[in-house]
Amino acid sequence: AQSVTQLGSHVSVSEGALVLLRCNYSSSVPPYLFWYVQYPNQGLQLLLKYTSAATLVKGINGFEAEFKKSETSFHLTKPSAHMSDAAEYFCAVSDRSGGSYIPTFGRGTSLIVHP
Amino acid sequence: EPEVTQTPSHQVTQMGQEVILRCVPISNHLYFYWYRQILGQKVEFLVSFYNNEISEKSEIFDDQFSVERPDGSNFTLKIRSTKLEDSAMYFCASTTSRGWDEQYFGPGTRLTVT
Repeated sequence: AQSVTQLGSHVSVSEGALVLLRCNYSSSVPPYLFWYVQYPNQGLQLLLKYTSAATLVKGINGFEAEFKKSETSFHLTKPSAHMSDAAEYFCAVSDRSGGSYIPTFGRGTSLIVHP
Repeated sequence: EPEVTQTPSHQVTQMGQEVILRCVPISNHLYFYWYRQILGQKVEFLVSFYNNEISEKSEIFDDQFSVERPDGSNFTLKIRSTKLEDSAMYFCASTTSRGWDEQYFGPGTRLTVT
C-alpha cells in the first residue's frame, strides 16, 4: 500500500531564504512521486515528478526535489523564496498497486513567505 | 492555455439534499477524475471515468455518489442525499492517458452541508 506523509502543515520563510518542504512516502514497489502546487482559488498544478530516471528532478519556478530511496523521502526545495511562491504544496505517490495509477496525496503544506 | 473549469465555486446545501457538481475537462482529454479534500485533511481520490464508465473508485465512492458525462463537454458528480461529512472541497481532474501523465485539476467546488 502507498502512503505519503508531509511534515509540517505550515512552513514560514523569509523572502530570499531557502525553501524546504518535506515529504516521506511508503510504497511496496518503486514509486512514482509528484509535487503539486495550489495557488489561491486555483486547481492543483504539477510542479515536478520522479519517474525512476534521475534522482534529482527539476521542476517549474525554480523548484527541485531529490528522490532518496534509503530515506524514503522526496523533499522539495528552492534556493531562494519569492513572495509569489506562497501557496499550498502537495506531495503524492503512485506505485501501480493492483494496476492502479491513481496517486495518493499528502495533507499538504502551506508555504508562507514573509517580506 | 486550456484549463479545467468547475461550477459552482461554492455550494451550500442542507443535509439530505441532492447536489450536482459540474466540471468541464480539457477538450481532448479522455480520463476524468473526482477528488475531495476535507478541510485540513488529505486530498482523497473518489473516482475515475473513461469511455463513459467508471474505471476505478475508492471506498468513499459509495451508492450516494454517481458520475456522468451527459454530453461531450461536462463531467458531473452527484451526491444523492448529502451528509454533514460530505462538506469538503471537490476537485475535478482530467488527463490524456491512464498512466502517469500530468493530471490537470480544476479550481475546486467548496461544498458546505448544513
